[in-house]
Amino acid sequence: SQTIHQWPATLVQPVGSPLSLECTVEGTSNPNLYWYRQAAGRGLQLLFYSVGIGQISSEVPQNLSASRPQDRQFILSSKKLLLSDSGFYLCAWSRVNSPLHFGNGTRLTVT
Amino acid sequence: AQSVTQLDSQVPVFEEAPVELRCNYSSSVSVYLFWYVQYPNQGLQLLLKYLSGSTLVKGINGFEAEFNKSQTSFHLRKPSVHISDTAEYFCAVKKGYGQNFVFGPGTRLSVLP
Repeated sequence: SQTIHQWPATLVQPVGSPLSLECTVEGTSNPNLYWYRQAAGRGLQLLFYSVGIGQISSEVPQNLSASRPQDRQFILSSKKLLLSDSGFYLCAWSRVNSPLHFGNGTRLTVT
Repeated sequence: AQSVTQLDSQVPVFEEAPVELRCNYSSSVSVYLFWYVQYPNQGLQLLLKYLSGSTLVKGINGFEAEFNKSQTSFHLRKPSVHISDTAEYFCAVKKGYGQNFVFGPGTRLSVLP
């Protein structure tokens, strides 16, 4: 069966510090990978998605970037965090004609 | 652009009562439809999906939803809710040929004793 791992579960970072969130998927090959952000009390905002290694589509221009160095690895990064980057970050995967499957999320607090 | 509307931001309901959470989407093309549930500080869990076939879809935890193409709706229902159903519920749409899933703003279901 397929599983998705996302870490860390919580993170507190000062403004201006770098960020790296990692997500890996097991049990499937060539998945579509996604990063969503959920601000407090709000819905999900798609940040990035990837259909293959090195292929990244950005949905919203902002202080974040994403990379896919391996087929089942998706990384969300920032060089300098802003207060507005605080939120709940969710990684997800899907295949053609299948639902999204989410990780457990990372709660990021920028102080 | 694709959009998903969940008109009710909060729905309070007493335990063992029926509930309906509404979802409408804007699209004139073939779509796939989903309902997800999110418990506090957790990821989203798939409740049910409509890809094709019967318009009445049954999911986990006793939930079901009905796809209505003419009304572009996919409302979620449960005949008798439990305290444990208290959570945030999200409707999502994906175009048949696309990669992007568009989510509604969510509905917070509160089941009262």
